[in-house]
Amino acid sequence: QSLLTQPPSISAAPGQRVTISCSGSRSNIGINYVSWYQLLPGAAPKLLIYENYKRPSGIPDRFSGSKSGTSATLDIAGLLTVDEGDYYCGTWDTSLQGVFGTGTKVTVL
Amino acid sequence: QVQLQESGPGLVKPSQTLSLTCTVSGDSINSDNYCWSWIRQPAGKGLEWLGHIYSSGNTKYNPSLESRVTMSVDTSKNQFSLELSSVTAADTAVYFCAREDELTLFGVTKIWFDTWGQGTLVTVSS
Repeated sequence: QSLLTQPPSISAAPGQRVTISCSGSRSNIGINYVSWYQLLPGAAPKLLIYENYKRPSGIPDRFSGSKSGTSATLDIAGLLTVDEGDYYCGTWDTSLQGVFGTGTKVTVL
Repeated sequence: QVQLQESGPGLVKPSQTLSLTCTVSGDSINSDNYCWSWIRQPAGKGLEWLGHIYSSGNTKYNPSLESRVTMSVDTSKNQFSLELSSVTAADTAVYFCAREDELTLFGVTKIWFDTWGQGTLVTVSS
């Protein structure tokens, strides 16, 4: 059972904006930094956001992250068909383990 | 460019030990800036962090699996490995290796996985 909760699915038309939430607690998101990952079929998972809002080199600025209290969000602006896939948040928990969210499937209509 | 590649048997019998190796290219596993992780994803389910290892051999494991997990590192081959003992069908998953950036200062932890392997499916079945 994951310590981080995400909506199971989100769908939107190309060009629209989607927001994926990640809800945790004081023992994980409330204290520590959050990262976000994109999983596409047949590809290695990709880091999209680290330290709550920073983007690695090569990640377009359509992807943005934020954190407030015990929750974090990933925004995808200008949705593209290539963005269709699964998205996971991740952080550290005071139970001394890395933890991931339950995952969100993004569908581009 | 850093690349990671998992290798190992795709089929393991129940009660036996699952063994996987991750080969790192484009970076030295001796890097002081990173540690090296294993993450898995059962079919239709989410990601699960199994643990990480530093080039020094220091490890940290997921508490729920700690009694069955062993990680090791071979700096001469630029590889690190995972062993999971007493496997059951519940251990059937895609297993990923990843480069992990982890730092704890004043009780606050930064952790992210900046490079992943493609993943390898391990099925536990007789």
